[in-house]
Amino acid sequence: ETGVTQTPRHLVMGMTNKKSLKCEQHLGHNAMYWYKQSAKKPLELMFVYNFKEQTENNSVPSRFSPECPNSSHLFLHLHTLQPEDSALYLCASSQGYNEQFFGPGTRLTVL
Amino acid sequence: QKEVEQNSGPLSVPEGAIASLNCTYSDRVSQSFFWYRQYSGKSPELIMSIYSNGDKEDGRFTAQLNKASQYVSLLIRDSQPSDSATYLCAVNGETDSWGKLQFGAGTQVVVTP
Repeated sequence: ETGVTQTPRHLVMGMTNKKSLKCEQHLGHNAMYWYKQSAKKPLELMFVYNFKEQTENNSVPSRFSPECPNSSHLFLHLHTLQPEDSALYLCASSQGYNEQFFGPGTRLTVL
Repeated sequence: QKEVEQNSGPLSVPEGAIASLNCTYSDRVSQSFFWYRQYSGKSPELIMSIYSNGDKEDGRFTAQLNKASQYVSLLIRDSQPSDSATYLCAVNGETDSWGKLQFGAGTQVVVTP
């Protein structure tokens, strides 16, 4: 595997389900990010982890819970989501302040 | 509210012509500037980064930065149908806003044969 990988690529879940998104970066970077991309809207930064410590929580509802066990892996735990949470969820990584590289994303649909 | 503004398009460009994309930003202390290309249904792909005033060229792409006027632009020379995509401008602020890229909504480019 190279670059940034994300699983699953597609996810359909009900509002009462609990699911997790996984991201792994193979670039040796020290920072990882979660973004949300909704139709016709700019990318929204959700969480930032620097050396596996959370440095940013961009006013994200508590039904989204991130976890970063090490600098290569990042999870986004989902529970009791709403239909408006349906979007493309993107993971990215960077080395310091440098360019961010994105994974392929998880297309989430909440029924 | 820090903002990054782009014309949403679509910008229609004949094959072989130059596509010119503009981006303005509101945060005067912004330090780093990036252009990403995003094909429909795919994730953003970094194509250019620029940190200093002036031009930076990479193949058919040229990024131009003017911090005094707070704009950054992207030129695509010899446009090809494969350049049809949405181009996202991203801006990073000063060092205490570590990792906080602000993205524009993107400009859709359509290259017509």
